[in-house]
Amino acid sequence: DAGVIQSPRHEVTEMGQEVTLRCKPISGHDYLFWYRQTMMRGLELLIYFNNNVPIDDSGMPEDRFSAKMPNASFSTLKIQPSEPRDSAVYFCASRGDGYYEQYFGPGTRLTVT
Amino acid sequence: KQEVTQIPAALSVPEGENLVLNCSFTDSAIYNLQWFRQDPGKGLTSLLLIQSSQREQTSGRLNASLDKSSGRSTLYIAASQPGDSATYLCAVRPDYGQNFVFGPGTRLSVLP
Repeated sequence: DAGVIQSPRHEVTEMGQEVTLRCKPISGHDYLFWYRQTMMRGLELLIYFNNNVPIDDSGMPEDRFSAKMPNASFSTLKIQPSEPRDSAVYFCASRGDGYYEQYFGPGTRLTVT
Repeated sequence: KQEVTQIPAALSVPEGENLVLNCSFTDSAIYNLQWFRQDPGKGLTSLLLIQSSQREQTSGRLNASLDKSSGRSTLYIAASQPGDSATYLCAVRPDYGQNFVFGPGTRLSVLP
């Protein structure tokens, strides 16, 4: 398996623009997680899905953020409108059910100017 | 609410030394604990996963221990090498949830 795939790897956009980050989990994994990493706050969970259903979105900072998982092999995290404080590295991770490790994608480095 | 801390925040050692990284968590009701490595500008790589019923796990030069009752885990690295330089994060999965709570990490530098 190719592991968790994220795109784009880098995104630079202007404040107010819409940003869409994409993730393909490892095949067969039931759980998908979106994290954000910053120097100040470390690694924070934004939202996670189980079998394509959002379970806990309490970490989503505000209504500008939304996430979807239309099928088992694809998820998106959208920011609209983007702000400079959204600049961070966004990671997607997936895990199988039960006693399994969590596997991370390479991340998307987002810069909002 | 589960909180995870890691000490020290940064560590610099000469090549060949054995070293210990520490992770503490506030709620002992955990399902498992996972150690990760993160290289600069890269994603997280899983190193070891310890189930709540286990005391330790080993992989090569790495050994992770878990003392659930005291809320502590350690990552022991034997015979450190410059290639071990990275940030090491521990993450705890609570009994009551599916997500992991991450510590802030320890930045390790192994000097040749």
